[in-house]
Amino acid sequence: EAQVTQNPRYLITVTGKKLTVTCSQNMNHEYMSWYRQDPGLGLRQIYYSMNVEVTDKGDVPEGYKVSRKEKRNFPLILESPSPNQTSLYFCASSWVAGKVNEKLFFGSGTQLSVL
Amino acid sequence: EDQVTQSPEALRLQEGESSSLNCSYTVSGLRGLFWYRQDPGKGPEFLFTLYSAGEEKEKERLKATLTKKESFLHITAPKPEDSATYLCAVQAGGYQKVTFGTGTKLQVIP
Repeated sequence: EAQVTQNPRYLITVTGKKLTVTCSQNMNHEYMSWYRQDPGLGLRQIYYSMNVEVTDKGDVPEGYKVSRKEKRNFPLILESPSPNQTSLYFCASSWVAGKVNEKLFFGSGTQLSVL
Repeated sequence: EDQVTQSPEALRLQEGESSSLNCSYTVSGLRGLFWYRQDPGKGPEFLFTLYSAGEEKEKERLKATLTKKESFLHITAPKPEDSATYLCAVQAGGYQKVTFGTGTKLQVIP
């Protein structure tokens, strides 16, 4: 089954404690991206990757890191989480046809709470 | 900067009462406009991609249309299972960025 798998589903942590949210896709997609979703603000892009070892910042990259060492995996790293990073996070992936991202496949989300 | 504005924020319909959701956008060089459906606690699910003004796509009770400034998602004779948040997104210029609107929360009452 084609899917994007995120883990964990829920995460509660404390300020300053490094954490990693994993994301894996089994569709051989070139493009992967991380979004955060906050009430009233919608989905905002954090980082994206066009392929292995190719990553770039989205709209709200501060406080986050990513890596793309393998095509299927795109982990999101919070080196020193702060309460304003409490949010619902989604990983997404897609093929790229021409210059258009074909439909994004989303993971089930990670609800992060930073105390 | 790409901007996507969806209206209304929330919409409550009786079962069978048709209506439309609006997505207005301001971008430079639209490459694609997307509609997604999101159920509570889940990731968005793809519905449609529209590439150019005048294009229309249909799926069951949903029909998406596109002009140079906005897109509409028409819902014909909705059912309670159509209740969800509908998200509009655009891709413009470089293909790395997809910008989302804040969504329209639709509730269909039996």
